[in-house]
Amino acid sequence: GAVVSQHPSRVICKSGTSVKIECRSLDFQATTMFWYRQFPKKSLMLMATSNEGSKATYEQGVEKDKFLINHASLTLSTLTVTSAHPEDSSFYICSARSPGQGGGYGYGYTFGSGTRLTVV
Amino acid sequence: QQQVKQSPQSLIVQKGGISIINCAYENTAFDYFPWYQQFPGKGPALLIAIRPDVSEKKEGRFTISFNKSAKQFSLHIMDSQPGDSATYFCAASIYGATNKLIFGTGTLLAVQP
Repeated sequence: GAVVSQHPSRVICKSGTSVKIECRSLDFQATTMFWYRQFPKKSLMLMATSNEGSKATYEQGVEKDKFLINHASLTLSTLTVTSAHPEDSSFYICSARSPGQGGGYGYGYTFGSGTRLTVV
Repeated sequence: QQQVKQSPQSLIVQKGGISIINCAYENTAFDYFPWYQQFPGKGPALLIAIRPDVSEKKEGRFTISFNKSAKQFSLHIMDSQPGDSATYFCAASIYGATNKLIFGTGTLLAVQP
């Protein structure tokens, strides 16, 4: 089945530095990927939709300059948290539209294993 | 209109019992309704999904019931096991190439042995 690999799984960084999170589709081409943020015991909040070769579409209230998304190839999307601060600490999860993963339907959404970001 | 409302927030079920989680939506353009299971520190994993052309779908111990007129759908977990203890999310989207998935608020299920 479709696999989405997300790295790193955990990262601790100092306040003011930038952190890059990678999301790779291992066995399929992902023209569309999604980035979510999840707070403890809360639901997944969609941050942005990234399309290969074009600019990401950000959800209302998400700072484009803070959360830089690049989808340079059909298998890789990256999220860079710039000038990170403690309030950016969270669990970040990527997802990709994936063939054959729709629960009996043609397409579904496959999720990475998430990245726990802690800014100190 | 983009919201998916989910209840209950938490649920405790005895081993062997039935777990029932409910969701409701407003946007009638939604036509793909998956359920995800998430364990702590992991990404969500697809359990089962349904589209509006059927009212019920069963896969093993998991069943989705779908009521199009009421704009509601629910997940039933039969013979619940301690290993089912996790957070469950319903979701909805418009089934297309770039359409985003809207998640419910989640239900924390605890199955007691």
